[in-house]
Amino acid sequence: EIVLTQSPGTLSLSPGERATFSCRASQYVGSNYLAWYQQRPGQAPRLLIYAASARATGIPDRFSGSMSGTDFTLTISRLEPEDFAVYYCQQYGNSPLTFGGGTKVEIK
Amino acid sequence: QVQVVESGGGVVQPGTSLRLSCEASGFSVTNYAMYWVRQAPGKGLEWLAVIPYDGSDEYYADSVKGRFTISRDTSRNTLYLQMNSLRTEDTALYYCAKGGGQAWWSPQDYWGQGTLVTVSS
Repeated sequence: EIVLTQSPGTLSLSPGERATFSCRASQYVGSNYLAWYQQRPGQAPRLLIYAASARATGIPDRFSGSMSGTDFTLTISRLEPEDFAVYYCQQYGNSPLTFGGGTKVEIK
Repeated sequence: QVQVVESGGGVVQPGTSLRLSCEASGFSVTNYAMYWVRQAPGKGLEWLAVIPYDGSDEYYADSVKGRFTISRDTSRNTLYLQMNSLRTEDTALYYCAKGGGQAWWSPQDYWGQGTLVTVSS
């Protein structure tokens, strides 16, 4: 099973700041099948990024994904008020599919 | 538009069974992989099961293997999760999600609002 470790657990930032989320995989993620999801309070998860760096339909370009080996990064270039939420990474290239523990972005 | 709507949750006792449904609209379940994911209260996301577009196979998390079964009714365009031998640790909000592709190795691009299952004596 691939274990995904997200850090930090919580980010305290202000609107307009840059947010960087880390997701480290315990082993190679096949075909870079790594996704990022946003979950706002009381809502279902929303797909942001798939295949490590491809934006999902309708996702603003302030969201971007990158990878280096087994390290994956989600970046929000400038935080908007609606971006304060929890972010999860998921690998879907190996069974069982696994999620990271999540990073919460809170208003500073 | 693409939509998935879960139903069937409720309060049940340990050791009993429950079947969740997920009605899909705006697309056919015969064209996409379909998933079940759950979230325990205040916790993160846990993938449970997936069935590819052609129903040729099923994959499960170890935590539910042998107890839960994913299936679909293509005539109703509906996905199911049969849950047997329920445990208190199965208490969670259960989400149905559409895959972005046909194969089980797809990201989940549309999610329902979830149906709550509470297992308690």
